[in-house]
Amino acid sequence: GAVVSQHPSRVICKSGTSVKIECRSLDFQATTMFWYRQFPKQSLMLMATSNEGSKATYEQGVEKDKFLINHASLTLSTLTVTSAHPEDSSFYICSAREGGSTDTQYFGPGTRLTVL
Amino acid sequence: GQSLEQPSEVTAVEGAIVQINCTYQTSGFYGLSWYQQHDGGAPTFLSYNALDGLEETGRFSSFLSRSDSYGYLLLQELQMKDSASYFCAVRDGTGFQKLVFGTGTRLLVSP
Repeated sequence: GAVVSQHPSRVICKSGTSVKIECRSLDFQATTMFWYRQFPKQSLMLMATSNEGSKATYEQGVEKDKFLINHASLTLSTLTVTSAHPEDSSFYICSAREGGSTDTQYFGPGTRLTVL
Repeated sequence: GQSLEQPSEVTAVEGAIVQINCTYQTSGFYGLSWYQQHDGGAPTFLSYNALDGLEETGRFSSFLSRSDSYGYLLLQELQMKDSASYFCAVRDGTGFQKLVFGTGTRLLVSP
């Protein structure tokens, strides 16, 4: 099956710094990528949807100036958590859908962010 | 909007059969999916039901009743490695076809 990678898998940063997380589709072109956040023992909450070459669409309650999303190519989307605070500590998971398919969505392995 | 409700936790023993239910409320319906997630890992796709009835994939089966807005995941011959969280999910009706997840069920399989 298709593979989606994320980097880094784990990051620890100081409060106030910015962190960039990369999501890549390795063997297919992803016109649409999704970013989810998951707190311990909770479900995946969709943060935003990004389409290659256009601005991301954010879910209600997600600060677009804090969570910057760039879908620069058909294989790469990045999420930057700006001025991170301890409450931003979470598991961030990206997902990618192949162009033209509405049935199959592939998930990355996730990035564990810890803000001190 | 979409909402999907699942039991928070289910326990069972090895070799048993367990059913995880999912009830949903959606503004449009484009099929029900099931995902498995082990602690610290990514969700992995298990099954998808677009139409009413039972879909069987090895030890796992999934059922859908659109008239009841209800589905379930059936796990047979449980193994210790099946201990994980299970999520039902639906696509919303927007152009992006976003995948919205249920509340999740934590399955604990004991010896």
